[in-house]
Amino acid sequence: NAGVTQTPKFRILKIGQSMTLQCTQDMNHNYMYWYRQDPGMGLKLIYYSVGAGITDKGEVPNGYNVSRSTTEDFPLRLELAAPSQTSVYFCASSADLEQFFGPGTRLTVL
Amino acid sequence: AQTVTQSQPEMSVQEAETVTLSCTYDTSESNYYLFWYKQPPSRQMILVIRQEAYKQQNATENRFSVNFQKAAKSFSLKISDSQLGDTAMYFCAFMKPFRSGNTPLVFGKGTRLSVIA
Repeated sequence: NAGVTQTPKFRILKIGQSMTLQCTQDMNHNYMYWYRQDPGMGLKLIYYSVGAGITDKGEVPNGYNVSRSTTEDFPLRLELAAPSQTSVYFCASSADLEQFFGPGTRLTVL
Repeated sequence: AQTVTQSQPEMSVQEAETVTLSCTYDTSESNYYLFWYKQPPSRQMILVIRQEAYKQQNATENRFSVNFQKAAKSFSLKISDSQLGDTAMYFCAFMKPFRSGNTPLVFGKGTRLSVIA
């Protein structure tokens, strides 16, 4: 099992550009999550999904969109990137209590 | 809404010594779960230990143990025989009951632990 994989590992965007952060899990987990981690801070929830076709907002959803067309994939879309979106983004999945995290994507918006 | 507070931004400990990291939380739930996650410089989030609120017995995983005080809403992590590989950010996290339909974690800001040789 590869677990949770995220691509890309690093990305630099210009203000106003858009991009999609990819997340895939091969553990057949129903629950998937997107968190962001700002410097010196804990992780904050952006969006989550309880199954294919179902998504819901977390604490900091503004500026992001998600979709969940399959159990395996949970991409995060950034539209009109802003410097405030500079952060490390983590995807996670779970079947029950334990969440498994991907390695993260470091995004810089200049 | 639940909140998690870690009041120690940074700590250091000598190799082979014991260190305790503090965490307090606020919730109106009677049943919930608490976690400690480790984030080494590699950035990977690693589950260290988990505690179910309905269990009175404190969780233990090898050199890691917790002191769970439900009435005080306190959940500290004790690391015994500290090793250089324990150097990392440690995050305390809270989760509502799994079947409540909202299972994301709420994280504290973290404590940066340095183990000194």
